[in-house]
Amino acid sequence: GDSVTQMEGPVTLSEEAFLTINCTYTATGYPSLFWYVQYPGEGLQLLLKATKADDKGSNKGFEATYRKETTSFHLEKGSVQVSDSAVYFCAPLGTGRRALTFGSGTRLQVQP
Amino acid sequence: DAGVTQSPTHLIKTRGQQVTLRCSPKSGHDTVSWYQQALGQGPQFIFQYYEEEERQRGNFPDRFSGHQFPNYSSELNVNALLLGDSALYLCASSLRVGAGVRTDTQYFGPGTRLTVL
Repeated sequence: GDSVTQMEGPVTLSEEAFLTINCTYTATGYPSLFWYVQYPGEGLQLLLKATKADDKGSNKGFEATYRKETTSFHLEKGSVQVSDSAVYFCAPLGTGRRALTFGSGTRLQVQP
Repeated sequence: DAGVTQSPTHLIKTRGQQVTLRCSPKSGHDTVSWYQQALGQGPQFIFQYYEEEERQRGNFPDRFSGHQFPNYSSELNVNALLLGDSALYLCASSLRVGAGVRTDTQYFGPGTRLTVL
């Protein structure tokens, strides 16, 4: 079945630092790829997505590029803020499937 | 434009009881998926409903059942509650794309926090 491997957290950064959260996946067919963010006590918010190889998804300063050859979808941000502190989930949606597959997520803590 | 809504926000039950959780999809969406998120874990897929039928099911026992109504809203029912059913239950809605099985982006609601004592 589909699976996701994310770097274990917590990732602790100072404000304005560069962020990378690694994500590799296995999925059926040619999946769409998503990053979701979860703030404490809340549901998941869609952060960005990419639907085909070499697509770059972006939103709120976050970016991720669909790398089919390495089955990766790493999340990056050039300058993090305290308000970015949350748990980040990478999730593929495999071709012909209906369910997102989540790993355990990566907790990001940004210190002032 | 209303997003995905869920009710109730919190719920406390005792072992052996039954619970019903409700979800209204985002305006214009016709597909509802349910996920269970245990504390400190990622969400796990329970099932998906489209056209009032269960279309796919994850690795959950049949104590977990659901329903979708003609207005696309949905219910999740859990019978014979166990302590291990304590979790955040998330509903996600999407719009089925074309005639194939691939669905569009899933948008999540705020969740229902279920505590089983």
